Amino acid sequence: DGGITQSPKYLFRKEGQNVTLSCEQNLNHDAMYWYRQDPGQGLRLIYYSQIVNDFQKGDIAEGYSVSREKKESFPLTVTSAQKNPTAFYLCASSIDRGLGAFFGQGTRLTVV
Amino acid sequence: DAKTTQPPSMDCAEGRAANLPCNHSTISGNEYVYWYRQIHSQGPQYIIHGLKNNETNEMASLIITEDRKSSTLILPHATLRDTAVYYCIVRVQYNFNKFYFGSGTKLNVKP
Repeated sequence: DGGITQSPKYLFRKEGQNVTLSCEQNLNHDAMYWYRQDPGQGLRLIYYSQIVNDFQKGDIAEGYSVSREKKESFPLTVTSAQKNPTAFYLCASSIDRGLGAFFGQGTRLTVV
Repeated sequence: DAKTTQPPSMDCAEGRAANLPCNHSTISGNEYVYWYRQIHSQGPQYIIHGLKNNETNEMASLIITEDRKSSTLILPHATLRDTAVYYCIVRVQYNFNKFYFGSGTKLNVKP
């Protein structure tokens, strides 16, 4: 089945450690996105990538980094520079053929 | 991308139609209206989209006003499983623009 997979579903890290969230898609989509969602809030864009080896900052990119070495993969690293990293992180992909973005099921990151 | 305005919450009785409004008064001629919903702690799910004509699929209907400044998502027979946050987004199709999600409307379907 085609889809977008995020792993792990829950992640715990100590403060000051970098952590990488995985996002893989087998939909052959060119564009991929990372969002952050805080309790009771909408989604805020962190980074997006339109094509392999290219990515752009979203509204809240500070403290995050990404790579896009393969079309299928768009990992997000939450660095120690991110002041408030505890949140629900959503990855999405799109081919822009009318259906918009497909989302993964999210990773809930808790930093203690 | 045009901004959208949605009420923060709405209630609906189970079995009745749920009508969720969205205001997008600055929409451009080539921007589509998309609707997604998010059930608690899951990824958003695509519902429907349209440009200027009304659209219907197995999940919902989308009514877009003639001037395209607002739209309404209609769930014809709401069930308890339709309780979710509903997001209205406008963006250009065939363009790898960013998706901007606002705060959405929390729909509470009550028995």
